Amino acid sequence: EAGVTQFPSHSVIEKGQTVTLRCDPISGHDNLYWYRRVMGKEIKFLLHFVKESKQDESGMPNNRFLAERTGGTYSTLKVQPAELEDSGVYFCASSQGTDIYTEAFFGQGTRLTVV
Amino acid sequence: AQSVTQLDSQVPVFEEAPVELRCNYSSSVSVYLFWYVQYPNQGLQLLLKYLSGSTLVKGINGFEAEFNKSQTSFHLRKPSVHISDTAEYFCAVRTRNTGNQFYFGTGTSLTVIP
Repeated sequence: EAGVTQFPSHSVIEKGQTVTLRCDPISGHDNLYWYRRVMGKEIKFLLHFVKESKQDESGMPNNRFLAERTGGTYSTLKVQPAELEDSGVYFCASSQGTDIYTEAFFGQGTRLTVV
Repeated sequence: AQSVTQLDSQVPVFEEAPVELRCNYSSSVSVYLFWYVQYPNQGLQLLLKYLSGSTLVKGINGFEAEFNKSQTSFHLRKPSVHISDTAEYFCAVRTRNTGNQFYFGTGTSLTVIP
């Protein structure tokens, strides 16, 4: 069974450009999460989808970030326009259920560098 | 909000020596505790978790952790490390009050020296 897959693995863009990150969750997982790790800091929650609906987007830093999950399958996270402080590693995770005992599976992350 | 503290950002240790990676959390309510590991160029992988029951939990690759409620700690240990244990280790907390999101520490980079 394939795990959580993220594309691209690395992205280097200039300040002001747009970048779109993609996450393919494990098949059948209704719950999809985005997290971000800024260099040297903790991994922080961004948002949570249940199927195609945003359940919790309290961690989204500002309106330059737009997450979508059309059809309840893969998700995209768009940053437009990108700023230097957006650099970091973006992780995606998925899980079958929403209870606290359900294991969440993480992808390998997308390393975003804004120059 | 919850906070998780991993005081050691880098831990070098010789092969076959024991290691302890420290983790403290801030919550005063019931918590669920996790350790994740990230090997180079790979995703976060669950190492072990404490949900309830015995405070000593065993995980994969010979790791174990002990939940200490009075000290609000969940330190990770291994009696004898291997080169392949070189990785970054993240402690994380979940609580019922804060939904499903994880609160992570800043990570500890473990380097095993041959």
